[in-house]
Amino acid sequence: KQEVTQIPAALSVPEGENLVLNCSFTDSAIYNLQWFRQDPGKGLTSLLLIQSSQREQTSGRLNASLDKSSGRSTLYIAASQPGDSATYLCAVPFLSSGSARQLTFGSGTQLTVLP
Amino acid sequence: SQTIHQWPATLVQPVGSPLSLECTVEGTSNPNLYWYRQAAGRGLQLLFYSVGIGQISSEVPQNLSASRPQDRQFILSSKKLLLSDSGFYLCALQGANYGYTFGSGTRLTVV
Repeated sequence: KQEVTQIPAALSVPEGENLVLNCSFTDSAIYNLQWFRQDPGKGLTSLLLIQSSQREQTSGRLNASLDKSSGRSTLYIAASQPGDSATYLCAVPFLSSGSARQLTFGSGTQLTVLP
Repeated sequence: SQTIHQWPATLVQPVGSPLSLECTVEGTSNPNLYWYRQAAGRGLQLLFYSVGIGQISSEVPQNLSASRPQDRQFILSSKKLLLSDSGFYLCALQGANYGYTFGSGTRLTVV
């Protein structure tokens, strides 16, 4: 059974700092890994999707890396801003049946960027 | 592009009342659709998924049911709500390469 862990559970940084969020998974036979952002009371917004054959993906100030062999992914946020404050979730799909793949989520990292 | 719509955004219902939450998608056909629930202070729990019209799989035995009457419509229902049904309900769409798009969610409070 796949288990996904995120460390730290909460992180508070001053504006402008670069930061790294960590995600680890127990079964390295993943198809991909997806990072999401969730603002309070809102749905999940997809940030980055890394396929198992990829090492990293970048979008603006965000960079996600994937190391399948060690069961780890990191989300790097450059020059953090107060608007980056949110809960960040990583998730990996695993087989439900047929074409269906349900997501296993980490418990999330609650990020606060202080102005 | 694929989009997913959920409504209502917020709902307050008395115990014992029925429930119907709707999710519709655009920009794709025959998608795999999912209902997740996020209870306060807890993680996301998969409730149901559907790979096509009339095809529903349940992950957790509970007071809820789901239906897929049309290709792009996924409905979550209950005949009689319990206090424990309170939570944040999210519909999700499985896209290409098993990337997922989530709706904006429905906050359900059972009183």
